[in-house]
Amino acid sequence: DAKTTQPNSMESNEEEPVHLPCNHSTISGTDYIHWYRQLPSQGPEYVIHGLTSNVNNRMASLAIAEDRKSSTLILHRATLRDAAVYYCILSIISSGSARQLTFGSGTQLTVLP
Amino acid sequence: DAGVIQSPRHEVTEMGQEVTLRCKPISGHDYLFWYRQTMMRGLELLIYFNNNVPIDDSGMPEDRFSAKMPNASFSTLKIQPSEPRDSAVYFCASSFNRQRAYFGPGTRLTVL
Repeated sequence: DAKTTQPNSMESNEEEPVHLPCNHSTISGTDYIHWYRQLPSQGPEYVIHGLTSNVNNRMASLAIAEDRKSSTLILHRATLRDAAVYYCILSIISSGSARQLTFGSGTQLTVLP
Repeated sequence: DAGVIQSPRHEVTEMGQEVTLRCKPISGHDYLFWYRQTMMRGLELLIYFNNNVPIDDSGMPEDRFSAKMPNASFSTLKIQPSEPRDSAVYFCASSFNRQRAYFGPGTRLTVL
């Protein structure tokens, strides 16, 4: 199965941009790249996803390398509420046309005031 | 919408007892997922349904675990008999377009 590799932890200062890297060198052409985050004592929360092109939404931006073997989640101005575990996930096809999300260990983001 | 609803939020039981976790997905969603989260193993997919039909249960740890989805608005995950190693947070998630999953708040299970 295609896997992702993320740093265990990162720190950022409040109101500064954060770049969270993810390597997925064994990604296949049909795998989508997803990012979820999990705040303390909550369920995972969708952040963004993409296939080939860079994506932007109100929460973040996703930059995908041209060869798709890596991606970067960008939080443009980190706030204390962004402190969470960030998961980079490949949405893989399984059991026919269904897709499933397989979580890795994620990156613990600490935001310093 | 109220989002994915799970009950109970906390469950404490003794080894050997039956445990039933409940989930109400977001209305209109056609996929439902059950995940388990522990410190040692992280988030693991246990089983998922499409249109109330179980599609992949390869993540179910053993026969003590079973899951049902009798209709589009309700699913259960049952553990019988429960063991201390089943202690974890169990998440239910639902999805409409197979891309973005919405997770519930989780059920924290403690088996003594």
